[in-house]
This record gives sequence, C-alpha cells and structure tokens, in this order.
Amino acid sequence: GQSLEQPSEVTAVEGAIVQINCTYQTSGFYGLSWYQQHDGGAPTFLSYNALDGLEETGRFSSFLSRSDSYGYLLLQELQMKDSASYFCAVRGNQAGTALIFGKGTTLSVSS
Amino acid sequence: DTGVSQNPRHKITKRGQNVTFRCDPISEHNRLYWYRQTLGQGPEFLTYFQNEAQLEKSRLLSDRFSAERPKGSFSTLEIQRTEQGDSAMYLCASSRTLSSGNTIYFGEGSWLTVV
Repeated sequence: GQSLEQPSEVTAVEGAIVQINCTYQTSGFYGLSWYQQHDGGAPTFLSYNALDGLEETGRFSSFLSRSDSYGYLLLQELQMKDSASYFCAVRGNQAGTALIFGKGTTLSVSS
Repeated sequence: DTGVSQNPRHKITKRGQNVTFRCDPISEHNRLYWYRQTLGQGPEFLTYFQNEAQLEKSRLLSDRFSAERPKGSFSTLEIQRTEQGDSAMYLCASSRTLSSGNTIYFGEGSWLTVV
C-alpha cells in the first residue's frame, strides 16, 4: 500500500516562510500533489511534482526528491488567509488509480 | 464549469437508519471519487468510478457501503444500518481520465452525524 507522513501542526507569523515536509512510501510513483483545505471547506489543488526539483506557483512552491521519497511545500510571505490544512497526496500503485492523502498539516498563521 | 455538487450538505440520522448521498460531478469529467474525512484527518479513499464502471474500492469499505453511477453522470453513496462510527464528512471529487497534475476537484462535502 501507500503511506504518507507529514507534521501534524506548524505555526508561523505573517510574512514568514514555512516549509511543510512530506515523506511517502508507494510501490509505484506517479507524482506528489499538494492540496489546501480551509476549515469547513473542500480540499483544493495547489501543486504537483512528477519530476525532481522545484515547481513555483506564486507564493507557493513545491519540491520533490524521488530518490529520497520526499517532498515539501514552501509557503512564502505568509498571510492570515494561509491558515488551513495542507495535504500531500500520491496516486496509488498504478497510474490512474485514486489519490491517497496524508493526514494533513494544520498551519496557523498569526499576526 | 459549475463545480462538483453534493447533497444533502448535512444529514443527521439515527443509528441503524440508511442514508444516501448524491454527487453531481463536473460535466466533462468521467472519473468520480468518494472519500470520507473525519476531524483532523486527511480524506480517506472509499471508491472511484470511470464512467459507470466502479474501478476501485478501498479494502476498508464496509459492505454496508454501496456506491453507484448508473449512467456515468451523477453518483450515489448509500450507507446501510448506519453506526456512530460512520459520522464523518463524505467528499465527492471528479476529474478527467488523464488529469494534468493529478488534479481532482472536490465538492463541498456531505456531513453525516449518526446519533
């Protein structure tokens, strides 16, 4: 099966930079994704890495190292609205199977 | 693109009753997924469809749970003989078959409380 590990909580202040790590185990690898979920809301897609390296989308970046089965989400210039849960996810054992999510990291941004 | 629609948004039921949730995916998406989420946890995969075919079911899915997608459009998730442990948010998501970046689009979820 698949498993993902990420920290349960992270706190930071406005304007800071925070990194949320994710390590995964899966017999086949078809990319690492990141989703954001605000309290009471639906998870929404943030970022995706299929190959090693950094992908940047505005204030958010995501990194992948396939040899280390590791990735991270980097959030810069934090804003209060970034307070949310962040989930890393991998596709199942075969391409085309469902996404499997980690337990999530709750980010609290304070002023 | 009207998004993934789920209803009812909230359901309170007595233990032992059956409940059914409906999901209407984004219209051009042929894949539809059901997940369950409890407080402080990530979405837990239940099952998914490609068109009307149910391609994968979680081994954790009790036989009290059944899902259908009869015409390859909307889907229903039925829970029979509900138990208090079934209390959770049930999320539906949809995607194209080969979605760019593993992107799936979630609905707002259906909250189930079993009393």
